Amino acid sequence: QQQVKQSPQSLIVQKGGISIINCAYENTAFDYFPWYQQFPGKGPALLIAIRPDVSEKKEGRFTISFNKSAKQFSLHIMDSQPGDSATYFCAASIQGAQKLVFGQGTRLTINP
Amino acid sequence: EPEVTQTPSHQVTQMGQEVILRCVPISNHLYFYWYRQILGQKVEFLVSFYNNEISEKSEIFDDQFSVERPDGSNFTLKIRSTKLEDSAMYFCASSEAGQGGFANTGELFFGEGSRLTVL
Repeated sequence: QQQVKQSPQSLIVQKGGISIINCAYENTAFDYFPWYQQFPGKGPALLIAIRPDVSEKKEGRFTISFNKSAKQFSLHIMDSQPGDSATYFCAASIQGAQKLVFGQGTRLTINP
Repeated sequence: EPEVTQTPSHQVTQMGQEVILRCVPISNHLYFYWYRQILGQKVEFLVSFYNNEISEKSEIFDDQFSVERPDGSNFTLKIRSTKLEDSAMYFCASSEAGQGGFANTGELFFGEGSRLTVL
């Protein structure tokens, strides 16, 4: 019940295309859903996050779509660029709990 | 920009040896964490630390692990007797206090990690 399932495991997108990564969860107590971006040799860095009281959040080219009834959320990267090539992790947490539960990660490659 | 710094960046040790990984969290942060990432796998929570004590720990964080904040700036993870399966990247993270005294656990700031290789 504490798991967050992420797909796909890897994704290749052409420059300018839309990258879509999906996550699903079981625990309805989760109330905070961040996405982290990790470049090789670096730690994860917060990219964008959403709470379940909204269905969508957009920051520049990055959008989170959230479907509370389906217990799913996704990251959309519009106009994908080679510099977006990285591993992306979705995560979930319960406010007041002290830990993030991460998905398995998606290795995104943007071809020029 | 403030950042979390970790040392060493890479440590190789023999099975059964003790290892100490060090972290300097962001100075005004009050919550400190250790996560680990086995090669090619997801990031896993180990432990959180607040007000000089462990506030939450995972089942991974057994008796061979300990954490300490020996002074006002450092935060350490000690592995008493390393095993082969402890080989991983260990990430330190920190966060500010959130509303109601709880940390806003979504906004963690991670260090670049310490790669531990146990032979």
